[in-house]
Amino acid sequence: QVQLQESGPGLVKPSDTLSLTCTVSGGSVSGYYWGWIRQSPERGLEFIGHIYFSGNTNYNPSLKSRITISVDTSTNQFSLKLNSVTAADTAVYYCARVTAAGGGFDFWGQGALVTVSS
Amino acid sequence: DIVMTQSPDSLAVSLGERATITCKSSQSVVYSANNMNYLAWYQQKPGQPPNLLIYWASTRESGVPDRFSGSGSGTDFTLTISSLQAEDVAIYYCQQYYSVPWTFGQGTKVEIK
Repeated sequence: QVQLQESGPGLVKPSDTLSLTCTVSGGSVSGYYWGWIRQSPERGLEFIGHIYFSGNTNYNPSLKSRITISVDTSTNQFSLKLNSVTAADTAVYYCARVTAAGGGFDFWGQGALVTVSS
Repeated sequence: DIVMTQSPDSLAVSLGERATITCKSSQSVVYSANNMNYLAWYQQKPGQPPNLLIYWASTRESGVPDRFSGSGSGTDFTLTISSLQAEDVAIYYCQQYYSVPWTFGQGTKVEIK
């Protein structure tokens, strides 16, 4: 059974960079797309972006100028960096796997609450 | 961006009765090359991540009870729970993966009447 776990600081200061890592266990990152999604009461569920194990990325245009998603097949992890954060970036951040069929997310992490505050 | 609009925002259904949720996309999510609808449905319970129920609009994910079914094509889709169980109390979301950014509906809260 594939399991995902987000890790990273729960509190980030305004204008700083939010950094999260997703560790995949019970399976390999190879052969799949992996994504980041966030959820807040204000914005609902919001797609941040996804990355293929080879490194090809697709980002949400609304965040594209601020985000970097990367993958490390040697450690079976992928990561999210979101810079110049504001209070509007406060959310639960999920990492997830895209189905082998190519649509939808079939395995999710439990989520990491990240609060942007000074 | 493709806007996904669900209705209703909430509904209360008696145990054993049918629950129906609709999802409308602002443009078609059918890919002409394969005639597939790029539409998924999720269930989310409090404190948990979303759980994939349906993809390709009507394909049930492994392990999902057969009381859950998806239908529709183009811009109009439906998630049906044929006989509501207590454990089905949750918020349900549709999501399109036809074009980036993938987008979600606002959610429909299902409760017991």
